[in-house]
Amino acid sequence: DAGVIQSPRHEVTEMGQEVTLRCKPISGHDYLFWYRQTMMRGLELLIYFNNNVPIDDSGMPEDRFSAKMPNASFSTLKIQPSEPRDSAVYFCASSLLVDGEQFFGPGTRLTVL
Amino acid sequence: AQSVAQPEDQVNVAEGNPLTVKCTYSVSGNPYLFWYVQYPNRGLQFLLKYITGDNLVKGSYGFEAEFNKSQTSFHLKKPSALVSDSALYFCAVRALSGGYNKLIFGAGTRLAVHP
Repeated sequence: DAGVIQSPRHEVTEMGQEVTLRCKPISGHDYLFWYRQTMMRGLELLIYFNNNVPIDDSGMPEDRFSAKMPNASFSTLKIQPSEPRDSAVYFCASSLLVDGEQFFGPGTRLTVL
Repeated sequence: AQSVAQPEDQVNVAEGNPLTVKCTYSVSGNPYLFWYVQYPNRGLQFLLKYITGDNLVKGSYGFEAEFNKSQTSFHLKKPSALVSDSALYFCAVRALSGGYNKLIFGAGTRLAVHP
């Protein structure tokens, strides 16, 4: 298995633009997580899915952020409109159990100018 | 409140010496505890976990961690550090928040192993 795949690896955009981050979890994993990592706030859980259904989105910072999982092999995290304070590394992770070992993707480094 | 703390921002150790990266936690019920490692420009990688059983847990790359219930700690250890162990280490605990189980990560400890 190739592991968790994320794209793009790097994204530079201007304030106000829409940004879409993509994730392909490990096949057979029922749980998918989106995290954001910054120097100031560390690693924050944004949202997680179980069998494609959003379970807990309490970490989503505001309405500008949305996440979808249309099928078991694909998820997106969208920011519209983007702001400079959204600059961070966004990780996707998947696991068999909600409190089991999570497998992280390589991350997407987002820079909003 | 349920939380996990890593009291040291950075740990410096000479190659060949033993290393310890500290972690303390606060959760209700029996804790599920994890250690992850992050190398530069990479995602987090699982090292080991404690759920129940033996208090000494062995994991990847020669790392181990000791669960201490009375001190609510789960320190990461390695008998002999390697330069290649230099990375960012995260402790995590399963916590019930808002009705959902999730992992809460500590702020991370940067380990620097010097030749």
